[in-house]
Amino acid sequence: AQTVTQSQPEMSVQEAETVTLSCTYDTSESNYYLFWYKQPPSRQMILVIRQEAYKQQNATENRFSVNFQKAAKSFSLKISDSQLGDTAMYFCAFRSSGAGSYQLTFGKGTKLSVIP
Amino acid sequence: DAGVIQSPRHEVTEMGQEVTLRCKPISGHNSLFWYRQTMMRGLELLIYFNNNVPIDDSGMPEDRFSAKMPNASFSTLKIQPSEPRDSAVYFCASSFERDTDTQYFGPGTRLTVL
Repeated sequence: AQTVTQSQPEMSVQEAETVTLSCTYDTSESNYYLFWYKQPPSRQMILVIRQEAYKQQNATENRFSVNFQKAAKSFSLKISDSQLGDTAMYFCAFRSSGAGSYQLTFGKGTKLSVIP
Repeated sequence: DAGVIQSPRHEVTEMGQEVTLRCKPISGHNSLFWYRQTMMRGLELLIYFNNNVPIDDSGMPEDRFSAKMPNASFSTLKIQPSEPRDSAVYFCASSFERDTDTQYFGPGTRLTVL
């Protein structure tokens, strides 16, 4: 079974600074999908970014980018120019890509606080 | 486009009462998921529907929980009778193609059972 580990329960960053959230996972599969979801105090789960394991290029969405290290099974999220609205729980998630795959495995989350 | 819609957003009930949570997936999506989020266990998949058919209900905690999807635009999760340990946030999510696409979550229902 796959596992997803987020080793930083809480982090803080000054507004406008850059922060990196860590995620590692364990799988024996060669192809899969990785996601970062954001859960602000409103508790809505919002997709931040998605990465397909067969793509070597790191995914980027505006101020959000990932550092995907397949060999190391690492998938970190970098938030540039942090804004107050980035304050939220961030969850890393894994999903197999095989036929019939649908199960998302989530990490425990990292609580990020952006300080004015 | 409207996202996944869930109702109610908050539900407070007393132990032993029946609770029904509702979900409307994104139009055109053919997969629907119910999740439960608690501090102790994080996010857990309860049940998965594809084309309105339950495919995997192995995450449903016990017989007190049941879920239905009578059509492509509506699903319910029912707890009868409810217990205090059922208190959690329940999320509904949908996706278009179960094998390749991303799951989009609704705003969740916060359930409190007294």
